[in-house]
Parts: sequence; structure tokens; C-alpha cells
Amino acid sequence: SQELEQSPQSLIVQEGKNLTINCTSSKTLYGLYWYKQKYGEGLIFLMMLQKGGEEKSHEKITAKLDEKKQQSSLHITASQPSHAGIYLCGASPRGAQKLVFGQGTRLTINP
Amino acid sequence: DAGVTQSPTHLIKTRGQQVTLRCSPKSGHDTVSWYQQALGQGPQFIFQYYEEEERQRGNFPDRFSGHQFPNYSSELNVNALLLGDSALYLCASSSLEEPGTGELFFGEGSRLTVL
Repeated sequence: SQELEQSPQSLIVQEGKNLTINCTSSKTLYGLYWYKQKYGEGLIFLMMLQKGGEEKSHEKITAKLDEKKQQSSLHITASQPSHAGIYLCGASPRGAQKLVFGQGTRLTINP
Repeated sequence: DAGVTQSPTHLIKTRGQQVTLRCSPKSGHDTVSWYQQALGQGPQFIFQYYEEEERQRGNFPDRFSGHQFPNYSSELNVNALLLGDSALYLCASSSLEEPGTGELFFGEGSRLTVL
């Protein structure tokens, strides 16, 4: 079965700094989703990547998919307090609409 | 346009009891999936319903069962509750007519505490 490992597990950065979260899969990635979750709440969709080399951006968040490395990265530029939360990557096994999730990365932004 | 709605938002049960959680999918979606998220972990897939049938199932015991109604809404039932069933239960909706074309919409979740 497919497993996703996120690194780091937690991250504390100063407001205004850049940061990167990585998601590595044990199997080939056919679809990679990034979600943000406020503590104990539902998941907010950020981006979905499907093709190797694909890169998408939304406001100050950019995600890339490296299919060969079976890895995706999420980069936040000039972090703000509103970026704080738990970031989850999820992979869609081929032919299935279910998602396998990583354990999450807890991001704290210090003012 | 309402998104995915779940009820109740919080509930407390004791060991051995049974619980029913409810989910209404986003308008236009016909597929509902349920996930369990333990504290500090990523969500884990329980099962998926489409056309009122269970289509896929994760590694969960038979104590976890579900149902989908003709209006696409869904219920998750858990029997003989264990302490380890305490978690946030998330519902996600999508459309099998458009697989892989967009995000899964998640609800706010139902927080279950088993004492």
C-alpha cells in the first residue's frame, strides 16, 4: 500500500520568512493533493498536482511535483500568521478516488 | 452553494455504545467518502459510497458501516464503541463523473469522544 511521509513534522518560522514542506511517497504518484487544516477542523483544499514537473501557485503558496523522485514540495513565501496550521499531503492511488494522507506538518508563525 | 455539511459537530459516547454521523455532500456531487483522523495523525480512509453502495473500503473493522441515501447524503455508523474510536470523522464529497479533475471537498468534521 502507498505511504506518504512528510517532513518536517513541525516547523516554527518567523513571520516574513520562507519555508518548504516536503511529501515523499513510497510509490509512484498519480495525483498529489495539498490541504490545510486548522486545528481540529475540516480540510481546506490548496492545490492538486497530476503531472511530473507540474507547478502550481496560489497567492504566496507554490507546490511542485517531482514524479521521478516520487516527491512533492510546498513552498510558502513571506509567511504570515494566516499561514499557520497543519499542512497535509494526500495521494490518490491510480484508479481510486480515495486519498492516502501523510501525517501532517504543523506550521507555527511567530510574529 | 452549500459545501459539505456534517452533523453533529461534537458528541460524547461511552464504550459499547453506538453512534451515527451524518453528511450532506456538496451540490452536484454523488460520491461520499468517510475518513477517520486521530489526534496528531493524517486522515485515514474508511469507505466510499456511490449509487447507494459501498464501492471501496479501507482497513476498518465491520463495526464501521455506512449508508448512502437517494439524495446522496450519507451516514456513518460505528457499533460497540472503543476508546480508540475517539477521533475527528471527516466526510468528503466528489463526483465520479469527473475523477481526478478537482479536489475532494471536505466537511468540518464530527468530533467523537468515547469515554
